[in-house]
Amino acid sequence: EAQVTQNPRYLITVTGKKLTVTCSQNMNHEYMSWYRQDPGLGLRQIYYSMNVEVTDKGDVPEGYKVSRKEKRNFPLILESPSPNQTSLYFCASGRGTGTHNSPLHFGNGTRLTVT
Amino acid sequence: TQLLEQSPQFLSIQEGENLTVYCNSSSVFSSLQWYRQEPGEGPVLLVTVVTGGEVKKLKRLTFQFGDARKDSSLHITAAQPGDTGLYLCAGAGLDSNYQLIWGAGTKLIIKP
Repeated sequence: EAQVTQNPRYLITVTGKKLTVTCSQNMNHEYMSWYRQDPGLGLRQIYYSMNVEVTDKGDVPEGYKVSRKEKRNFPLILESPSPNQTSLYFCASGRGTGTHNSPLHFGNGTRLTVT
Repeated sequence: TQLLEQSPQFLSIQEGENLTVYCNSSSVFSSLQWYRQEPGEGPVLLVTVVTGGEVKKLKRLTFQFGDARKDSSLHITAAQPGDTGLYLCAGAGLDSNYQLIWGAGTKLIIKP
C-alpha cells in the first residue's frame, strides 16, 4: 500500500530535550516536505526536499533541522524544543513533476507537546 | 507574498443543505488543489483544477477555478454527515512547482 509513515503519532517532551520525528514513504517520490498545522493558521511549511541531499527552508524553519540521506526518509529534528513548537506535524511526499500532475501524499501526523 | 484567503473558517449546517466554500487571492496560480482532512489523519487530495473557468465534479461536490485563476470555490449539494471534515485549498504559484500556498481551512460539520 502506498503510504507516508510518520512516527511517533504522539509525543510529549520537555523543553530542551532533543527529539526526532521520522518520516518514510514507499512511493519513490523525489519531493518530501514537513508542515506544522496550528488552529486558524492552516499548514505552514517547515522544510522541504526536492531530492536526496537537497533540502530547503520553508516558511517557518527556525528551531528545526532535516536531512535527506535516502530517498525514502526525511526525518525532522528538533535540537532544543520549546513550547512554541507544540503543534501537529505532517510529513508529505510527491512526484517531482509539478503540483498539477501529482498530489501531495500526507502522513497521519505527529502531535507534539513541549512542556 | 502570496496569500490564499479561505472562507468561511467554520460552518455547521444540517444534513441536506447546500454550502459553498471560497478561496480567494490577488495572485494568479498555475493550479489549485482541494484537500479534505479528517480527525487524526493527514489531508487527502480531492481535486486539482488547472484551467481558468474549469469546473470539476466529484459526486455531490463541485469545484470551480476562477477565470483569472485567482480564486476557487467548492460547492456541496445536499450535504451528508460523511462530508464533515476540514477542507483546505492550496495554490501552486506560477514560478514554483511544489511550493504550495495554503488556505487556513474551513471546518465543516454536517449535523444529522
